[in-house]
Amino acid sequence: DADVTQTPRNRITKTGKRIMLECSQTKGHDRMYWYRQDPGLGLRLIYYSFDVKDINKGEISDGYSVSRQAQAKFSLSLESAIPNQTALYFCATSDHRTGGNIQYFGAGTRLSVL
Amino acid sequence: GQNIDQPTEMTATEGAIVQINCTYQTSGFNGLFWYQQHAGEAPTFLSYNVLDGLEEKGRFSSFLSRSKGYSYLLLKELQMKDSASYLCAVRGSNTGKLIFGQGTTLQVKP
Repeated sequence: DADVTQTPRNRITKTGKRIMLECSQTKGHDRMYWYRQDPGLGLRLIYYSFDVKDINKGEISDGYSVSRQAQAKFSLSLESAIPNQTALYFCATSDHRTGGNIQYFGAGTRLSVL
Repeated sequence: GQNIDQPTEMTATEGAIVQINCTYQTSGFNGLFWYQQHAGEAPTFLSYNVLDGLEEKGRFSSFLSRSKGYSYLLLKELQMKDSASYLCAVRGSNTGKLIFGQGTTLQVKP
């Protein structure tokens, strides 16, 4: 079983629709992150959370919202999807108590907004 | 500002050695990370440097010079499965946030 699980793996939606991407982890990590990846732009941080109900904006938070109601779950919402939100989305987790605070990534969600 | 530079693409031959460079300018420094990412898959952790010097892990080694804002990832005895993108990332503070470079796509040829 994957330690960091993202659902769905693929999603096609229409402009203006609200969608939610889910991330759950069994690693017992306290910190969770959402990134998007676009060709030629690398990984960019959308939001991150250090603990339950702790929410912090990343570089590109406009148009997105997140929820962290439990330590193991971190969900990303697009309130009104637009085509330039078409991208590959990754969730990551880390444990600040361990050396390096290394981030571990889920398998990704490929989102297409038509 | 914060900037991380690495070459966009590299090509190398199976069995050879390749060095992927990364230079960075960030506000604060608390560690440099290398990740490997195969096309369409999750980035996977390769190495972490926080002090100057070389860290060796099997066929992969990573070097850091904080005074020069420079790191490299060295891959020895290249295999076809090493064809992937290699992402350099810097943690600018102890918040855990990483800033990623655009990644270097490495193609290993027979």
